[in-house]
Amino acid sequence: GENVEQHPSTLSVQEGDSAVIKCTYSDSASNYFPWYKQELGKGPQLIIDIRSNVGEKKDQRIAVTLNKTAKHFSLHITETQPEDSAVYFCAAKLSFQKLVFGTGTRLLVSP
Amino acid sequence: NAGVTQTPKFRILKIGQSMTLQCAQDMNHNYMYWYRQDPGMGLKLIYYSVGAGITDKGEVPNGYNVSRSTTEDFPLRLELAAPSQTSVYFCASSTTSRGTVNSNQPQHFGDGTRLSIL
Repeated sequence: GENVEQHPSTLSVQEGDSAVIKCTYSDSASNYFPWYKQELGKGPQLIIDIRSNVGEKKDQRIAVTLNKTAKHFSLHITETQPEDSAVYFCAAKLSFQKLVFGTGTRLLVSP
Repeated sequence: NAGVTQTPKFRILKIGQSMTLQCAQDMNHNYMYWYRQDPGMGLKLIYYSVGAGITDKGEVPNGYNVSRSTTEDFPLRLELAAPSQTSVYFCASSTTSRGTVNSNQPQHFGDGTRLSIL
């Protein structure tokens, strides 16, 4: 089945710096790659997603890139702010609406 | 809209007890899912449903049961609670694009039920 690996597990940056989180997937048939942000005590919230027919997508300070050949995708957060501190999960859709999640990255943005 | 609502938020069970985790969504989504999240791990799919009356197993279904009698509700049942079922449980829902069966629509999550089994 599909396997999604996510790195790093923890990431500490200074406010204003950029943060990059990387994921790799195993099944070349995967065609949908969402990113979720999870704050303490809350459920995951979708922040951006990308489909396999697109190489890059941006939404203000957040961008996602997809390399289908290498089977990896990355989340880029620019001009980080303390409120960006959370756990971020990547996921890949293997088949009919079944998401496989990475193990998460804890991002800490220090003022 | 409330989105996806899960109850209870917290629960402590004794080994062997049973309980039902409730999940309701008011977005008229046809797909619903149950995940568990263990510390330091991603979410694992337990069961999912593509519509009322239709359910199927996910990655880790053992020890759980589900039913889907209405579009809105998707309860998760633990019959004989075991310590290995201590986890945070998340319910999610999604829809499909018109005319597309296998579309890529985002899943919307509830805030979870934190379950401890002692």
